[in-house]
Amino acid sequence: NAGVTQTPKFQVLKTGQSMTLQCAQDMNHNSMYWYRQDPGMGLRLIYYSASEGTTDKGEVPNGYNVSRLNKREFSLRLESAAPSQTSVYFCASSEPRGFANEQFFGPGTRLTVL
Amino acid sequence: GENVEQHPSTLSVQEGDSAVIKCTYSDSASNYFPWYKQELGKRPQLIIDIRSNVGEKKDQRIAVTLNKTAKHFSLHITETQPEDSAVYFCAASLFAGGYNKLIFGAGTRLAVHP
Repeated sequence: NAGVTQTPKFQVLKTGQSMTLQCAQDMNHNSMYWYRQDPGMGLRLIYYSASEGTTDKGEVPNGYNVSRLNKREFSLRLESAAPSQTSVYFCASSEPRGFANEQFFGPGTRLTVL
Repeated sequence: GENVEQHPSTLSVQEGDSAVIKCTYSDSASNYFPWYKQELGKRPQLIIDIRSNVGEKKDQRIAVTLNKTAKHFSLHITETQPEDSAVYFCAASLFAGGYNKLIFGAGTRLAVHP
């Protein structure tokens, strides 16, 4: 049981390049999330998917797109990377039960945009 | 939308002392308040959570208190140990549409000195 996995672990891009961050979970969770983590700003929600087939914008969606490929996989795409997107990206999943919602995080992807 | 403020941003204590981290939230409809711990270079992990119908919850050396009237909640760590050194994040959740969307505070870096 691997939990939440992410690829790649590290990536360096040049401004304007595109890339896709991959996330997969094997816990049969319905909900999945993408966050970015910047120093002093905590975790900010980029996009989320409440269930397979649905996606919605979070706090900071500009410059990103997502795809919920199936129940297990949720990818994040940067179409034209900018230096402001330099960050650590975390994917998470959860199975909300009433008011509780423990989110399980992946190991993160450290992205640098030059 | 929901906004979560967290204080202090850094906290330094001696081993064995207590540590308290405080958060305030803006949306009175929020009803779930988790705390995550993130060790250096690792993923965030849930350490304790509280629901809006409960005023206090304890788990060994950690406890969380909630004051719904004042819209603030706190994490208390007693008998701190060096392995408690990490960044701690509070979050508030608004249960909506069958899923929860967490809004995180900016984090508190706790250093426990032997």
